[in-house]
Amino acid sequence: RKEVEQDPGPFNVPEGATVAFNCTYSNSASQSFFWYRQDCRKEPKLLMSVYSSGNEDGRFTAQLNRASQYISLLIRDSKLSDSATYLCVVGPNSYDKVIFGPGTSLSVIP
Amino acid sequence: SQTIHQWPATLVQPVGSPLSLECTVEGTSNPNLYWYRQAAGRGLQLLFYSVGIGQISSEVPQNLSASRPQDRQFILSSKKLLLSDSGFYLCAWNLRGTSANTQYFGPGTRLTVL
Repeated sequence: RKEVEQDPGPFNVPEGATVAFNCTYSNSASQSFFWYRQDCRKEPKLLMSVYSSGNEDGRFTAQLNRASQYISLLIRDSKLSDSATYLCVVGPNSYDKVIFGPGTSLSVIP
Repeated sequence: SQTIHQWPATLVQPVGSPLSLECTVEGTSNPNLYWYRQAAGRGLQLLFYSVGIGQISSEVPQNLSASRPQDRQFILSSKKLLLSDSGFYLCAWNLRGTSANTQYFGPGTRLTVL
């Protein structure tokens, strides 16, 4: 089993739609969780950290389920500018390294 | 504020030629530094990471090497490039010893080996 798994997509959704991505991880001792966004031919950029109680940043909501070992990202009211690849990132109990998932591709269409 | 630089931005090299990619970080001290490679349409593969000057950990055995001659400088090298070395090379940093371990990426170097 891969350490971090994501559905590669692509997810093609119309503007204004709500879309959700899941990510599963294998290491139950993982301590930190993030979502990154990567635009085509660009570097990944931090979208948001994921906290145990769940957290929201504008149209984006992240959730963590430790029992089932998955994290989720919900995007409401999708914009054309949300089109990108979304990377799930999981940190083990080491402070130094994290593990990137393969990414989920999102295309928001007019 | 912290910034991270990488150069060159793009590079086209023949098979068998050497490689040197450079990454520097400004605005912080004692960062952890990382080299990743992303092949076309693939995820990020961690190649090397460093927690201090001269301290390099290799994640994947291959014909690449890394060095950290100064606190905020990280260099990726190869003596002889292979076709399979083509990809998008990303340098990243984070603060050492914090539980957040959020990583911040440079703009990357796109390498094509012909």
